[in-house]
Amino acid sequence: AQSVTQLGSHVSVSEGALVLLRCNYSSSVPPYLFWYVQYPNQGLQLLLKYTSAATLVKGINGFEAEFKKSETSFHLTKPSAHMSDAAEYFCAVSDSPLYGGSQGNLIFGKGTKLSVKP
Amino acid sequence: DAMVIQNPRYQVTQFGKPVTLSCSQTLNHNVMYWYQQKSSQAPKLLFHYYDKDFNNEADTPDNFQSRRPNTSFCFLDIRSPGLGDAAMYLCATRVGRVGADGYTFGSGTRLTVV
Repeated sequence: AQSVTQLGSHVSVSEGALVLLRCNYSSSVPPYLFWYVQYPNQGLQLLLKYTSAATLVKGINGFEAEFKKSETSFHLTKPSAHMSDAAEYFCAVSDSPLYGGSQGNLIFGKGTKLSVKP
Repeated sequence: DAMVIQNPRYQVTQFGKPVTLSCSQTLNHNVMYWYQQKSSQAPKLLFHYYDKDFNNEADTPDNFQSRRPNTSFCFLDIRSPGLGDAAMYLCATRVGRVGADGYTFGSGTRLTVV
């Protein structure tokens, strides 16, 4: 079964510093991988997704993620943190029914809360 | 703009008093989901519809029901809310069967049980 593990429930960086949020996946088939951001009392917003095209994926708000099959990782990065990046970030994996999986439902990691210090 | 709309944003209900949360979408997506999210936790899937086909997660309590009268609307009914049901409830939609598109989420309804 597919799963994702997010290392670190809470990450704190200074404004202008590199943001690195870690996500490792477990999948017996080629996965579809996603990063979502959630601001307080809001729904989840899609940051970026990997669907077997380019391994380096660029998303909104200056974020990007690299799919590394050998490491089963899909870490999220941003070169320079802004105060507005403070939020909770969720990594998720989706099955593809083309490979006999489920109906493409998302399986979420436990989330990483990002704090940005001035 | 096309979107997923949840009403109300905040709902207070009494212990044991039935409550209904609503979700509407203008995206014409055929898959709709209901998630429960408690504080500082990942969203937990309650059930989803693929068109009119209802799919209930095995661990979703019987207290939770859902209706989807048409493509645009989906409702979450909590028959007898308990204090443990206080949470953010998220509606999401997806187009198609292959999971490449991800979800579009509504802003959520925060339910308080008093």
